[in-house]
Order: sequence, then structure tokens, then C-alpha cells
Amino acid sequence: EAAVTQSPRSKVAVTGGKVTLSCHQTNNHDYMYWYRQDTGHGLRLIHYSYVADSTEKGDIPDGYKASRPSQENFSLILELASLSQTAVYFCASRGATNTEVFFGKGTRLTVV
Amino acid sequence: QQQVRQSPQSLTVWEGGTTVLTCSYEDSTFNYFPWYQQFPGEGPALLISILSVSDKKEDGRFTTFFNKREKKLSLHIIDSQPGDSATYFCAASVIGNNKLTFGQGTVLSVIP
Repeated sequence: EAAVTQSPRSKVAVTGGKVTLSCHQTNNHDYMYWYRQDTGHGLRLIHYSYVADSTEKGDIPDGYKASRPSQENFSLILELASLSQTAVYFCASRGATNTEVFFGKGTRLTVV
Repeated sequence: QQQVRQSPQSLTVWEGGTTVLTCSYEDSTFNYFPWYQQFPGEGPALLISILSVSDKKEDGRFTTFFNKREKKLSLHIIDSQPGDSATYFCAASVIGNNKLTFGQGTVLSVIP
């Protein structure tokens, strides 16, 4: 079974602080994604990557950076956390020749 | 701009009944339409998917219908069970494109 592991599972951050969310996949997948989930909005794509050391902007990249240091690891970085970034964040992966996207269990981020 | 619209936002059905969820989309280049199921505290998981060359796909109690002319799709769950209680998302993408666009989600409650 495809495995995507996110850490931490929950975090409280202070406004203006730096937050790093981590994701590790053991699926040997090329593509990795960061989504944000808010009630009433479904999931929205923040950043994605199709190869190590390269990231692409998704639909809502403002206020976020991403880092893909290896095929297995993909991080989401909030340099200056804001109240509006309180949400649940999901990491996901997909094989290059497949359509199915596998999600992690999510990280609940609360910015206070 | 919401490219994929999903309805209803929430739905309650009796055990044994039929559940119908619907989605509409705007981008006529979309050709892959997955439905994801999400339980509380978990990430979304692929339930069933359909390509634009088909108009129906079944998997047990779950059937998805696709209408290319009307740019609509639906998910039917027959003999709904309490274990089906979850949030359901429709999504759309162009195969080969990295980006899945999600609907807002439907919270389904199945009452025994």
C-alpha cells in the first residue's frame, strides 16, 4: 500500500513565525503535492514537484514555499505565518505513469 | 473562480437508501474525473474514477456517471451504509497534467 507520512500531525504556530511541514513518501513516486483544505473550499493546490530539487507553483502559492531535497521528501514552508493560513494541509504523491494520487493523513495547523 | 462545483454541501440518507452526489465543471479539456472519500482525521482516498471517453463506471455499490455535453458527473451509492458516512470530493484534471482540481466536498451522513 502506498504510504505518505506527514509530520507533525498538528501544530500551533505564532503569527509571524516560521513553520515547516514535512512529508515523506515510500512509494517511489515522482510527483508530490501540497494541498490545503478549508471548509467550503475543498482541497486547493499550493505547490507541487515532479523531480527532486525542483518545485512548481500551484493555484494558491502566495505565502508558501516548497522544497524537494530528494524524491522521498517534500516540505512546505511558511516563512511568516498568518492567521489566514490556519487550515489542514495534505501532502500527496503520484507515480509518473499513474493517475491515482495518494494522500497523507494531514497536518492541522493553527496560527494564533 | 471555482472550476469544479459540487452539490449538495451536506446530505443525510437512511440506511439502505440511494445517495446521489453531483458535480459540474467548466474546463472542457478535463478528461479524468476521480471521486475521493475522506473519513475524519484521514486523508482523501480514491473511491472511483472515470475517463471522459466513458459515460458510466461501476464498482460494487458505487457508480459514477459522466455527461460530457452537459459537463456534469455524479456519484450514486446504492444500499447506503452507516460506514459510508464521510466527506466525498469530486475532482477533475487533464491526464498528463499534474494538477487535480477539487470540488468543495459533500458531507454524507447515513442514519441507521
